[in-house]
Amino acid sequence: DTAVSQTPKYLVTQMGNDKSIKCEQNLGHDTMYWYKQDSKKFLKIMFSYNNKELIINETVPNRFSPKSPDKAHLNLHINSLELGDSAVYFCASSPPGQGYYEQYFGPGTRLTVT
Amino acid sequence: DAKTTQPNSMESNEEEPVHLPCNHSTISGTDYIHWYRQLPSQGPEYVIHGLTSNVNNRMASLAIAEDRKSSTLILHRATLRDAAVYYCILSPNYGQNFVFGPGTRLSVLP
Repeated sequence: DTAVSQTPKYLVTQMGNDKSIKCEQNLGHDTMYWYKQDSKKFLKIMFSYNNKELIINETVPNRFSPKSPDKAHLNLHINSLELGDSAVYFCASSPPGQGYYEQYFGPGTRLTVT
Repeated sequence: DAKTTQPNSMESNEEEPVHLPCNHSTISGTDYIHWYRQLPSQGPEYVIHGLTSNVNNRMASLAIAEDRKSSTLILHRATLRDAAVYYCILSPNYGQNFVFGPGTRLSVLP
């Protein structure tokens, strides 16, 4: 019954590696997001996809590339990982329509780059 | 994006009401006021939202000032499970780009 799921929950890797985080939502939502929460606990939006199309792309290095194979999935691929990429990454989704959007968040993926 | 200001932390006793304030003096006419909370080691979860009128739901109440420059999230009877960071966020009615500030860390004492 998990609404928004992410895998893996924990990811430990070395600098320079390439890794992916997967996100799936079973809510039938059209819009999905990736957020980054750094060590100071600030949550910042990275990307937003609506119906598999990129809507928001905040100032994020090109090493980060979201991929949406279908409306229910938004994966985050990170190339050439750096120490500063260590953070908790949250996926979220929201329903379609105009006006107010309630966002549903996943449990997060804690990425540690050593 | 319009900014919000919240106290860094607040404390409450269990089963007492809690009033969490949020200032948003630069709010625009189309900005919704959203409240989310983040329990330890979890993703944020929706609490409540409003535009102009006060709102109630099963989790909380939202009191919005008449000039909309401030709002208050009210937890009617705090439980230990309500200990979390509470975020007050503004977003235009067409917007999806939530900007989370540092929020208010609420501690609930037994």
